[in-house]
Amino acid sequence: ETGVTQTPRHLVMGMTNKKSLKCEQHLGHNAMYWYKQSAKKPLELMFVYNFKEQTENNSVPSRFSPECPNSSHLFLHLHTLQPEDSALYLCASSQTTKPDGSYGYTFGSGTRLTVV
Amino acid sequence: GNSVTQMEGPVTLSEEAFLTINCTYTATGYPSLFWYVQYPGEGLQLLLKATKADDKGSNKGFEATYRKETTSFHLEKGSVQVSDSAVYFCALSPGYSSASKIIFGSGTRLSIRP
Repeated sequence: ETGVTQTPRHLVMGMTNKKSLKCEQHLGHNAMYWYKQSAKKPLELMFVYNFKEQTENNSVPSRFSPECPNSSHLFLHLHTLQPEDSALYLCASSQTTKPDGSYGYTFGSGTRLTVV
Repeated sequence: GNSVTQMEGPVTLSEEAFLTINCTYTATGYPSLFWYVQYPGEGLQLLLKATKADDKGSNKGFEATYRKETTSFHLEKGSVQVSDSAVYFCALSPGYSSASKIIFGSGTRLSIRP
């Protein structure tokens, strides 16, 4: 149990489907993140939310739509994806009130997404 | 700008061998430094961290010392086990708040032979 729970663990979807990934944390953290991890590529930061407000969108295609209804929950809505979007999607959370940046992130186990 | 460079993998060692995974960084100010580990099929877990120069982070037999003079944070372990097989990520936090993102290295895959 890492403190950050992601569901589902595995997802197979067609290119015309709509699905959502869910992330939940009860660590009292106020920032949440979506990362994409593809084979043989560095971790890619997709979105950052701080106190429910989106503070970063790293040029992510609009077929990925994040939602953060409160500081404990984060969603990633998916529609009309492409096969190259197949990857491990990782959610993370952190406490951002420390001024020295020493908080680190707590990661979930990820959702392994396959687009067919 | 801020960046992290870590040694290319994969690294393959025999059980009980000595491990070093090199990591160097560039940063303005006074970053915090981290090592994360990712076991197969899992997310990243914080392995150890150091928040100021000359600090040594340690956990599970792994150690890393924050060297400001060489801008390095090399990961070491005296005697590796098969269970240490994983991908290791060096990372830095720039040292200011407001959800500043952590910068991750590209990861080093470690495989330990029995």
